[in-house]
Amino acid sequence: TQLLEQSPQFLSIQEGENLTVYCNSSSVFSSLQWYRQEPGEGPVLLVTVVTGGEVKKLKRLTFQFGDARKDSSLHITAAQPGDTGLYLCAGADALRLGNQFYFGTGTSLTVIP
Amino acid sequence: GAVVSQHPSRVICKSGTSVKIECRSLDFQATTMFWYRQFPKQSLMLMATSNEGSKATYEQGVEKDKFLINHASLTLSTLTVTSAHPEDSSFYICSARDRSRGFTGELFFGEGSRLTVL
Repeated sequence: TQLLEQSPQFLSIQEGENLTVYCNSSSVFSSLQWYRQEPGEGPVLLVTVVTGGEVKKLKRLTFQFGDARKDSSLHITAAQPGDTGLYLCAGADALRLGNQFYFGTGTSLTVIP
Repeated sequence: GAVVSQHPSRVICKSGTSVKIECRSLDFQATTMFWYRQFPKQSLMLMATSNEGSKATYEQGVEKDKFLINHASLTLSTLTVTSAHPEDSSFYICSARDRSRGFTGELFFGEGSRLTVL
């Protein structure tokens, strides 16, 4: 079950451009994480947000958790080819035993040099 | 940092055979491990939650008799794909949460296992 919808699904941009990826759900999450995955490898955690309205910055990446804890966004400034990859949001469902993480539909980003 | 190891990383088998994939947490104890399935260029689909010492919790639509999960210790969970068929070919990924970091702790992922059923 995928409770989180990401948009856009695919994104191809030129080096130096800015972009925003959205992660939306009708469910409330206790926490939300963003991952980046390269082909043939497991996802790597970028950030965890737990408070509604929270904003976190990681170099050129800015993450925001919606006030109602139902959505999140990832903004990349001045994208570089090294940013290419599959970006996944994942929400922790506090109502389920084990607090499973459910992943979003994914956004495949290609940054062209 | 914490490491989760999966084995094998790649496996090719004939249709009808069973394949076991191991997921180990190398430097922390994991009360709970998660198994995901991923098709090319798609996201991770949660298959089941593996709880140490108890039965796994399967997501809707996942056949528990087809995908057997055993979590015998705090550092090892196994996924066995029984009587594999070509449609079971996929990338299987496990993840584990460090029990000492609580429910909002980071998920540590294995390297993934690429299963190809001929």
